[in-house]
Formats: sequence, C-alpha cells, structure tokens
Amino acid sequence: EVQLVESGGGLVQPGGSLKLSCAASGFTFSGSAMHWVRQASGKGLEWVGRIRSKANSYATAYAASVKGRFTISRDDSKNTAYLQMNSLKTEDTAVYYCTRGVPAARGNWFDPWGQGTLVTVSS
Amino acid sequence: EIVMTQSPATLSVSPGERATLSCRASQSVSSNLAWYQQKPGQAPRLLIYGASTRATGIPARFSGSGSGTEFTLTISSLQSEDFAVYYCQQYNNWPPGGTFGQGTKVEIK
Repeated sequence: EVQLVESGGGLVQPGGSLKLSCAASGFTFSGSAMHWVRQASGKGLEWVGRIRSKANSYATAYAASVKGRFTISRDDSKNTAYLQMNSLKTEDTAVYYCTRGVPAARGNWFDPWGQGTLVTVSS
Repeated sequence: EIVMTQSPATLSVSPGERATLSCRASQSVSSNLAWYQQKPGQAPRLLIYGASTRATGIPARFSGSGSGTEFTLTISSLQSEDFAVYYCQQYNNWPPGGTFGQGTKVEIK
C-alpha cells in the first residue's frame, strides 16, 4: 500500500522552530520528488515547497511566503522527508501535508497525500 | 503566478443529480490540470490529472474536460460520498507545485 505518514506537529510560540517528518512506504521513495502543502483552518491549499530526487541533485524550491525560513530535506535510507520550520509566524498555523509529486511533461500532480499534521503558532 | 478561479464557491445538488464545477486559469496551462476531492478532516485525494484522465480507482461518474484556461469537473450522478470540497491545481507553470483554486464545496440540496 502506498502511504505517507506525517509527524512532528504541535504548538509553538512565534519565532520558534519545529521539524516535521514524512515517512513513506509502498513506492520508490528515493526516485520521487516530495512536496509539502499546507492548509489553514477553513482555507484552501497552499504549496509550501519540494525536494527532488538524488538524480535531480536534491534540488529544493519554496513558496515566497516561507523562503528563507523553511528547509526541506530527505533521508532516502529512511524513506523520510523533513520540513524544518524556523522563525515561525502566526500565519504559518495550518495542517501540513506531505505528498509525492508525480512527474508530468511539465510540473507535478500530487498522489498520494499523507493524513496531515497540525502546526499551531501561538503565544 | 497563475491564478486559478473556481466557480461556484458552493454548489447545492440533490443526490442522483449532475454536478458541474468550473475552474479558470489566468493564463493558459495547456492540459496540465488536476482535480482533488477533500472530505472534512481528511487529506485531499487525486481524482483527475492531465485535465481528463481519471486516477486509479476513481469511479467513472467523475469526468474532467477542458484545456488552455477553461476546465470542468463533472459528477454525472451524485452519490452521498461525493459531497465534499473540490480543488483544481495547475502544474504547468511556476511554482513547482503549481497553484490551487480556492475550492468548490458540493453540498446536499
């Protein structure tokens, strides 16, 4: 079964840090681009960033709203992707999903998705 | 950045009826468009990619059409499990994860 399981969410104060994990199974993780997408309560989906595979030099890219504060990494030996979030702001409060990017001629669609982990930034 | 606009925001439909959801891109995205379904408290689920190709396991009552800037998701005969929020995503242009529409909620009439 293809599966993604996120962990590491919780309550953090503004300016703090948090690291999320995404454990993958059921597919060739090492060959896949992994993305993070977030969703504030009652709102739509916002792409956060992605990390490509070793064959693509582990290239990362980020949304403007998180660039310079968030870092995506991966450990292919553990089939796990990570999202390190620093200098957190109240507007970063959201459910964070990891998802596999399925390559198309251009860009990626996303399948599957993890169940999400809630990050709350509040004093 | 391409802006995706979905309409209507809310669609009230009776079970068994047809539902038609629209998604418009601010510039052409060719056929690089996906649709997702999200139920309350759950993660999004891929329904359609390439504007019209159903994902594995998606029932035939779901169909996608369109190209360029205008796209449609049609649910031919709504079942109780289809009441949810639907998002479109373009993946033709930057950023690498594309951009999502704001969603259409399909509710029971």
